Amino acid sequence: EDQVTQSPEALRLQEGESSSLNCSYTVSGLRGLFWYRQDPGKGPEFLFTLYSAGEEKEKERLKATLTKKESFLHITAPKPEDSATYLCAVQAKENYTITGNQFYFGTGTSLTVIP
Amino acid sequence: SQTIHQWPATLVQPVGSPLSLECTVEGTSNPNLYWYRQAAGRGLQLLFYSVGIGQISSEVPQNLSASRPQDRQFILSSKKLLLSDSGFYLCAWSLKQIKPYEQYFGPGTRLTVT
Repeated sequence: EDQVTQSPEALRLQEGESSSLNCSYTVSGLRGLFWYRQDPGKGPEFLFTLYSAGEEKEKERLKATLTKKESFLHITAPKPEDSATYLCAVQAKENYTITGNQFYFGTGTSLTVIP
Repeated sequence: SQTIHQWPATLVQPVGSPLSLECTVEGTSNPNLYWYRQAAGRGLQLLFYSVGIGQISSEVPQNLSASRPQDRQFILSSKKLLLSDSGFYLCAWSLKQIKPYEQYFGPGTRLTVT
């Protein structure tokens, strides 16, 4: 059973064209939801952690929001340097133990911003 | 500030050969450490995690093993590589004091088994 689903799989935007990426999750108890940026051939770069519904975080042109079933990563007036794959991950309360804290990762949204 | 290193960056190995990938973390002590594999078009798959020296937990059955000989050193090994072991291997760390555990990734190792 998929715990985290990201959509769309790929997104092409013109420079300056704002849009949103979606991350839906099915875990019953959310401990945290994480957004990462990954450039080709590199490790994921941490962006945000969201803990509870209604929470929002911002960084430059990126804004992450969280509801009880999904998170959105809003990209305002994107630039070509925002092109990357954006990964979402969740940590579920039922999987948290003193010795383990498994994350469930989505397969990502590949964003291309065209100049 | 904390830094995580992985080496080698790329590796091409024949089927049946051994493997050793190394990960080290600087700037923190007693971190949680993780090995992930990322296959093309698929999400990150957790392979191993460690909460301390000599403490390794495996998430999936495979011909890979992990060891943590020092507090900030994490090693991924195999005695005989399979074609299916090809992929992008990522090491990550997290602090124990912050919950949920935000994970920070290294630059990765691209492994191609031929």
